[in-house]
Amino acid sequence: ETGVTQTPRHLVMGMTNKKSLKCEQHLGHNAMYWYKQSAKKPLELMFVYNFKEQTENNSVPSRFSPECPNSSHLFLHLHTLQPEDSALYLCASSQGQGGQETQYFGPGTRLLVL
Amino acid sequence: GQNIDQPTEMTATEGAIVQINCTYQTSGFNGLFWYQQHAGEAPTFLSYNVLDGLEEKGRFSSFLSRSKGYSYLLLKELQMKDSASYLCAVTDSNYQLIWGAGTKLIIKP
Repeated sequence: ETGVTQTPRHLVMGMTNKKSLKCEQHLGHNAMYWYKQSAKKPLELMFVYNFKEQTENNSVPSRFSPECPNSSHLFLHLHTLQPEDSALYLCASSQGQGGQETQYFGPGTRLLVL
Repeated sequence: GQNIDQPTEMTATEGAIVQINCTYQTSGFNGLFWYQQHAGEAPTFLSYNVLDGLEEKGRFSSFLSRSKGYSYLLLKELQMKDSASYLCAVTDSNYQLIWGAGTKLIIKP
């Protein structure tokens, strides 16, 4: 238990569906992250929020839409996804933003797009 | 470009010692992390090195040589529960975290 929870753990969706991933951290951290993890590839940073403000968007397609209503919650809204978007989506948090900060990860949502 | 290299997969025997290497080419350096990730679970923090040398933490040790762009994670007295992927990540000069693809470690009885 890392203090970061994600729901759902597994999700199957069609290309025309709309779904949302949820992340919650109970660590009192100020920064939250969305990553995409594909088999045998490095973690891909998608979005970063610091004190609820988006500070990074790493050229992510608009079919992925993040939302951060407060420092403890982070959402990833999905619509009209493609099969290549199938992957493990990890949420993480850290005390502050920056690559020197230890990040605490949730267990991820395994997404399959049909 | 920025690059982190680590072996894709390694196999070791229960009770033995294994060394997982990580080499990096990044624009600057501000620290190196090792994370452990069991299948289907969250990556969890193992170690952070910012200065050269060996940091020991129980059965796990992490070594860094900044001049060589090299680190290794040393696991002693291997247990079956150590079967996992081990992720190396480097903080560059812009404090961006650059990730390796991970090394899958298989422990055999």
